[in-house]
Amino acid sequence: DAKTTQPPSMDCAEGRAANLPCNHSTISGNEYVYWYRQIHSQGPQYIIHGLKNNETNEMASLIITEDRKSSTLILPHATLRDTAVYYCIVRVGGGSNYKLTFGKGTLLTVNP
Amino acid sequence: DAGVIQSPRHEVTEMGQEVTLRCKPISGHNSLFWYRQTMMRGLELLIYFNNNVPIDDSGMPEDRFSAKMPNASFSTLKIQPSEPRDSAVYFCASKLWEDQETQYFGPGTRLLVL
Repeated sequence: DAKTTQPPSMDCAEGRAANLPCNHSTISGNEYVYWYRQIHSQGPQYIIHGLKNNETNEMASLIITEDRKSSTLILPHATLRDTAVYYCIVRVGGGSNYKLTFGKGTLLTVNP
Repeated sequence: DAGVIQSPRHEVTEMGQEVTLRCKPISGHNSLFWYRQTMMRGLELLIYFNNNVPIDDSGMPEDRFSAKMPNASFSTLKIQPSEPRDSAVYFCASKLWEDQETQYFGPGTRLLVL
């Protein structure tokens, strides 16, 4: 699986957009980009995933560059409850042998 | 849906004792994962099952750790004997085989071995 690089921490003001970057320069053509987050003392929570097109759901948007070597997770209106560690994971998707390898992630702190 | 259920939520034990962690996956899910999280090593996959069969246990740290899934609605992770370095939060997660994106995590068991 491709390795990912994320900043260790970021701050964001409440109500503003939070833009979390992820570099995955060695990504392969059949590897997806997944984002999970972990709020303190809870289990990780799936946010979104994509292959090459930009994706949006009720939680966030995922922007993947055309060369697929980096991506950005966007929380359009961050709230205090979005304070969490955000993990960017690159993985071949599908099938029963599905495996997630978590790195250190980015600690996003949303400030009032 | 109750989500993934883990028990106990907290466990304090003494070195050398046997510890059993329990997990009830979401009904209908046929893949189950055990993870361990520590400050030093982050979140690590220990083992995962598909249709109650262990597919990959390469993350299990050593023979003191064992995991079973006797049926689709129950799994255990056992540590015998426990050591202080086993202190961690242990998460169980489940998913549908057909679902490409989402693993659903339980609340975790916080284990402290004295």
